[in-house]
Amino acid sequence: DQQVKQNSPSLSVQEGRISILNCDYTNSMFDYFLWYKKYPAEGPTFLISISSIKDKNEDGRFTVFLNKSAKHLSLHIVPSQPGDSAVYFCAASALYVQGAQKLVFGQGTRLTINP
Amino acid sequence: NAGVMQNPRHLVRRRGQEARLRCSPVKGHSHVYWYRQLPEEGLKFMVYLQKENIIDESGMPKERFSAEFPKEGPSILRIQQVVRGDSAAYFCASSPDRGRGTEAFFGQGTRLTVV
Repeated sequence: DQQVKQNSPSLSVQEGRISILNCDYTNSMFDYFLWYKKYPAEGPTFLISISSIKDKNEDGRFTVFLNKSAKHLSLHIVPSQPGDSAVYFCAASALYVQGAQKLVFGQGTRLTINP
Repeated sequence: NAGVMQNPRHLVRRRGQEARLRCSPVKGHSHVYWYRQLPEEGLKFMVYLQKENIIDESGMPKERFSAEFPKEGPSILRIQQVVRGDSAAYFCASSPDRGRGTEAFFGQGTRLTVV
């Protein structure tokens, strides 16, 4: 039961264009969503997040959109740069009674930016 | 990666041996999470610990695997009698003891190879 799904294992985009990475979730208890970026042989690095009370959050070239009714979020990178080539993981968080959280990750999408 | 230290970076064990993976969270963080990434797969939650307590171990195999986060010292993920299927990258993440939505910071991971 994959609660967080990234249906595209890979994506190839021309440098300077927009990259759009998609993520779907099934658990309506998730109320916080994050994107992580991972280079080979390194740990994931936090990129951007969004609370379920919002539908958009922007940080420089990165924008995350949340559609709660569709249980869908997307990450937009514009303009795409060669250094953006990495694996991107979508993660969703649910609240614990003790005020902590558990992150559930998608399978990841490998983004390749072509010069 | 905000100071989460994992060691060793690479660990080779023969089938039947024990593997001990260590994780030192960011100073002041009291929440530790362990994730496993199998080849060509995403990050799978294993266990969530606070100091001296296991909060959620729903992702951890029932046998051979254990985790602890003592009052002093690093968190330890222990795998007894390793098998080939345990070969994976194991990532530790930590987060501070504060409000909701705080992103987790990841370590570089330990790559376990069982031969």
